[in-house]
Amino acid sequence: QLQLQESGSGLVKASQTLSLTCTVSGGSISSGGHSWNWIRKPPGKGLEWIGYIYHSGNTDYNPSLQSRVTMSVDKSNNQFSLRLASVTAADTAVYYCARGRPSGADYDFDYWGQGTLVTVSS
Amino acid sequence: DVQMTQSPSSLSASVGDSVTITCRASQSIDIYLNWYQQRPGKAPKLLVFAASTLQSGVPSRFSGSGTGTDFTLTISSLHPEDFATYYCQQSDSAPPTFGQGTKVEIK
Repeated sequence: QLQLQESGSGLVKASQTLSLTCTVSGGSISSGGHSWNWIRKPPGKGLEWIGYIYHSGNTDYNPSLQSRVTMSVDKSNNQFSLRLASVTAADTAVYYCARGRPSGADYDFDYWGQGTLVTVSS
Repeated sequence: DVQMTQSPSSLSASVGDSVTITCRASQSIDIYLNWYQQRPGKAPKLLVFAASTLQSGVPSRFSGSGTGTDFTLTISSLHPEDFATYYCQQSDSAPPTFGQGTKVEIK
């Protein structure tokens, strides 16, 4: 059974960089045809897709965040990561990692991590 | 971006009831519509993709329909574990976008 687990700092100061890692177990991040995504849910608001990365390193980011987002993949440790620069209080959210269904269904999210709360402090 | 609007935002129902949730897209998305269930403190779970295809392992009491801009999720007979928040999401064009959610509560 595939499992995803987010980890990283739960408290980030405003203007600094948020960094999270998603560890994949029960399957290989390099097995083809899946996008590896980050999605967030601010308190009291809806879900927002941040972007994805493939094991090849190809990425696609939400234009609303593109200038501040960087994703990377570490195939040797079966992990992928998110960096979000210049954070503000508006970036406070539960952050989820999720897998896209195979065969190019990049935006159908079939496995999710439990989520991790990141709070931006002033 | 494609805007997704769900209705109602919440509903109260009893075990055994049938409930229907509606999702409307701001432009045509063909059949590229997914439904997720989220229980408190848990990750979202994919229930339906491509408007009407049940994800593996999802009970048959869940069904999805629609095409274009109007979609529905129906739960034919509510079980206690179905009380949760449900989200629709379009996968037709980037960036994928979600509805605001429908909370199904116990009456």
